[in-house]
Amino acid sequence: QQQVKQSPQSLIVQKGGIPIINCAYENTAFDYFPWYQQFPGKGPALLIAIRPDVSEKKEGRFTISFNKSAKQFSLHIMDSQPGDSATYFCKAGGNNRLAFGKGNQVVVIP
Amino acid sequence: DAMVIQNPRYQVTQFGKPVTLSCSQTLNHNVMYWYQQKSSQAPKLLFHYYDKDFNNEADTPDNFQSRRPNTSFCFLDIRSPGLGDAAMYLCATSRDNTYEQYFGPGTRLTVT
Repeated sequence: QQQVKQSPQSLIVQKGGIPIINCAYENTAFDYFPWYQQFPGKGPALLIAIRPDVSEKKEGRFTISFNKSAKQFSLHIMDSQPGDSATYFCKAGGNNRLAFGKGNQVVVIP
Repeated sequence: DAMVIQNPRYQVTQFGKPVTLSCSQTLNHNVMYWYQQKSSQAPKLLFHYYDKDFNNEADTPDNFQSRRPNTSFCFLDIRSPGLGDAAMYLCATSRDNTYEQYFGPGTRLTVT
């Protein structure tokens, strides 16, 4: 049972563009929403996370936007670089449950 | 600097031959997780330890077992690997139920 739906499945942008990845969750008990970045052959690395008490969080070039009423959150990569090319997973946690989205492959073209 | 260490990074085993993957951590986190990740898919949680308490996911096959002899180490045992068990196996840790997980680099398992 997939509890977090991630879209789009893949994304190609030019360097400097702003790829946006969206996630929607169902379980209202979730209260922790991280994004992970994974390069081929490596484990996922925590990138940025948000809790429902704020609507936006920025860390460097990465921004999470959170819409509690819509049960959606998104990742924005500002001024994207070829080194940002990776798979991005959203996740939701709460009520002793963790659910991963299916992942989104982002390719940044030089 | 390594916080979650997995050994070996690459493991080749024969069909039906038991194999053990290991994970160690220097974070002193009390929760340790094992995930299976197949190509182009999200990591799938197999089980986790909360301190010494083992928590199995309902759909994890009996073929997969785990041991946690102390806080720092956790093992994944695959009793009779099948071809479908070829995957990347990821270990992760977190402190209590903060859900902030730290992943190791993974072990790539090949079954011949």
